[in-house]
Amino acid sequence: EVQLQQSGPELVKPGASVKISCKASGYSFTGYFMNWVKQSHGKSLEWIGRINPYNGDTFYNQKFKGKATLTVDKSSSTAHMELLSLTSEDSAVYYCGSGGNSWFAYWGQGTLVTVSA
Amino acid sequence: DIVMTQSHKFMSTSVGDRVSITCKASQDVSTAVAWYQQKPGQSPKLLIYWASTRHTGVPDRFTGSGSGTDYTLTISSVQAEDLALYYCQQHYSTPLTFGAGTKLELK
Repeated sequence: EVQLQQSGPELVKPGASVKISCKASGYSFTGYFMNWVKQSHGKSLEWIGRINPYNGDTFYNQKFKGKATLTVDKSSSTAHMELLSLTSEDSAVYYCGSGGNSWFAYWGQGTLVTVSA
Repeated sequence: DIVMTQSHKFMSTSVGDRVSITCKASQDVSTAVAWYQQKPGQSPKLLIYWASTRHTGVPDRFTGSGSGTDYTLTISSVQAEDLALYYCQQHYSTPLTFGAGTKLELK
């Protein structure tokens, strides 16, 4: 069974950083890009960027350059996203998604990030 | 960036009805369109990619169609479990972009 298991909810202070994770199982981790998607409360979906787990190459949505940093650990089939210099605008649910050629057959359960003093 | 416009934020339907949800791209995306279903508190689920290819396990009452800039997701006979939010996404070029969503509700 394919699973993308994300880390738990985070409460962080403005200006801080947070790193969330997405552990893949049940499929070839290096066979598909790992993407990250933001969903602000009650709003639509925004693509943050993707990483090639095979070689670590990244591609970011211009909007999120400098805000998000994507990495992978092939040894544990885990992808990470670090969000920097957080503001209230970064409060959202963040999903990892994979399993297609620029579409997402597999999704994590989402990680809620709340930015509050 | 390619803008995906779902002109109906809400659509009302009854169980057993046929319903079509539309999505318009700001430029030709050559059938590179996916559709997702999202229920409250859940992750999106892939239904369709390449405009008309059904994902594994998706019931055949869900059909995707379209070309150029105009795309449609049709549910041939709505079931109660189909009441949800539906998003289109273009996978033609980066940045990948999604529509604003259409919520399917009971009349």
